[in-house]
Amino acid sequence: ILNVEQSPQSLHVQEGDSTNFTCSFPSSNFYALHWYRWETAKSPEALFVMTLNGDEKKKGRISATLNTKEGYSYLYIKGSQPEDSATYLCAADRGSTLGRLYFGRGTQLTVWP
Amino acid sequence: DVKVTQSSRYLVKRTGEKVFLECVQDMDHENMFWYRQDPGLGLRLIYFSYDVKMKEKGDIPEGYSVSREKKERFSLILESASTNQTSMYLCASSLTVNEQFFGPGTRLTVL
Repeated sequence: ILNVEQSPQSLHVQEGDSTNFTCSFPSSNFYALHWYRWETAKSPEALFVMTLNGDEKKKGRISATLNTKEGYSYLYIKGSQPEDSATYLCAADRGSTLGRLYFGRGTQLTVWP
Repeated sequence: DVKVTQSSRYLVKRTGEKVFLECVQDMDHENMFWYRQDPGLGLRLIYFSYDVKMKEKGDIPEGYSVSREKKERFSLILESASTNQTSMYLCASSLTVNEQFFGPGTRLTVL
């Protein structure tokens, strides 16, 4: 089992606030780090896959960074909107051909209008 | 677009019943996965399969079995349902590495 930790467990912000949360993972045997967004009553959807130390990915107001040497990734949301309310999951990937990912428990974000 | 479908969105069963949850994907993916999600515990892997008739235990396989007779279909079986198996069950599929594609989930209640 590969231990992936996410913090905080939940977060409540006002519309327009910027926010960020953390995913930490063991830096040994690392291949990739995945971020997913899971909205209520929908399926989890992939946001980013990052592999290289220092990688930074961006999709609209959401961005993520990766530090493989120290084993953490940050997800940032700029100017949060109510539609950003969701659970954000990160998952560590060891590059196994079996495709297994190791998920954290998620950060539940609520954005109040 | 990849499509992963699950046989039911909501299911209510009685303790001791045998329960089948079906998952079908249409993108010829080798790997398929069954997770359960409980509040505060995130996604926990029950079983996964990397090829037809091949399976591997995940982190919480007790009380479950799986079947993969065809590449596109992966079934989760609760041999004798118990109340502690009340949960949201998610199926996913992927190619050999990287992004997993998830189905809509089945919310199972065992009474």
